[in-house]
Amino acid sequence: KNQVEQSPQSLIILEGKNCTLQCNYTVSPFSNLRWYKQDTGRGPVSLTIMTFSENTKSNGRYTATLDADTKQSSLHITASQLSDSASYICVVSAYSGGGADGLTFGKGTHLIIQP
Amino acid sequence: KAGVTQTPRYLIKTRGQQVTLSCSPISGHRSVSWYQQTPGQGLQFLFEYFSETQRNKGNFPGRFSGRQFSNSRSEMNVSTLELGDSALYLCASTFRTGAYTDTQYFGPGTRLTVL
Repeated sequence: KNQVEQSPQSLIILEGKNCTLQCNYTVSPFSNLRWYKQDTGRGPVSLTIMTFSENTKSNGRYTATLDADTKQSSLHITASQLSDSASYICVVSAYSGGGADGLTFGKGTHLIIQP
Repeated sequence: KAGVTQTPRYLIKTRGQQVTLSCSPISGHRSVSWYQQTPGQGLQFLFEYFSETQRNKGNFPGRFSGRQFSNSRSEMNVSTLELGDSALYLCASTFRTGAYTDTQYFGPGTRLTVL
């Protein structure tokens, strides 16, 4: 059964500090892995998407890494800001020729940035 | 380019009633998928439509149904509402960007409360 596990479940850090969120998956056959940011009361917004041939991708202060061998990914946030307070969702896509049912969602990490 | 729009944003219904939610994808996007998001289960796939045809369906009871119109707008209907149907319902339109990648754009969601 395809699964995506995220850790920690929640995290509180001080503004300006760095943090790393983890994602472990058992999805096969692997197609891509994405990280989304979801602000409270809003829909998720894509941060990065990586295929099996990519092991790192950045989007501003967000850097995602992928180790397809160990089936692990991380999202590193540098110099956190108050606006980074949100839920971060890891989503892994199984290659099924397309279609949304190939997506397996993690339950997210709830990040709170304190001033 | 306008984003994904969902109406209504908030809805309160009572058990046994039925509800219809609407989603307008980004212009030019033909794929629309629906998700249910609850604090305990996270994001769960409901169904996906492409060019007016249901392409994939998640593991939800038959009370959940949907359709897509020729202009790509989509509706989902939930009949005989239950308390457990209270959730944020998200719609996403998808644009394929490569052989193994696509980009999903989520709407703001409809917050459904069943009393």
